Amino acid sequence: DTGVSQDPRHKITKRGQNVTFRCDPISEHNRLYWYRQTLGQGPEFLTYFQNEAQLEKSRLLSDRFSAERPKGSFSTLEIQRTEQGDSAMYLCASSLGGKPRETQYFGPGTRLLVL
Amino acid sequence: GESVGLHLPTLSVQEGDNSIINCAYSNSASDYFIWYKQESGKGPQFIIDIRSNMDKRQGQRVTVLLNKTVKHLSLQIAATQPGDSAVYFCAENRDGNKLVFGAGTILRVKS
Repeated sequence: DTGVSQDPRHKITKRGQNVTFRCDPISEHNRLYWYRQTLGQGPEFLTYFQNEAQLEKSRLLSDRFSAERPKGSFSTLEIQRTEQGDSAMYLCASSLGGKPRETQYFGPGTRLLVL
Repeated sequence: GESVGLHLPTLSVQEGDNSIINCAYSNSASDYFIWYKQESGKGPQFIIDIRSNMDKRQGQRVTVLLNKTVKHLSLQIAATQPGDSAVYFCAENRDGNKLVFGAGTILRVKS
């Protein structure tokens, strides 16, 4: 257990529904990252926060996706009007954020299945 | 395009033997590499990292080797145990922020 928690661990939804995932990073970590992982592939970067500021978003993050970290602690990732192609594991990671190239610690992920 | 990739998708080893997992990268400007282990249903777990000013770094039962000349990275696991069975990813931290992962190698340990 790295100290990064994610909720829920599993989510099954119907196409067109909205879903929201939560990530709680390690308490003293200022940086929080979201990645997506499909079966048989490595994780792909989606976005990251330094405290409450969202500093970078991948082209993978379409306008149906929105991430927030309002108080610089936990973060939420919302997917609107889900599509079957959104089915994946959504991983959250955190790092101290004091300098570049720090170790990123991952949570257990939220597995999303869109029917 | 630029990528981080793995040579072998599956590696089977006998318990007690040493394992070597390889990774190639194409971005010669890359200066920081990380190995993660991912067990079924879990998130990636940090194993060891190495910066480009080093050729070798050792941890507990693991060693990472970096050959910048041929842009190759390897993870060596000594005395492989059944608990080492997992998918192993090399990743590159290109800009100090996001990680770029390869596709992964499955390590199977036979008892």
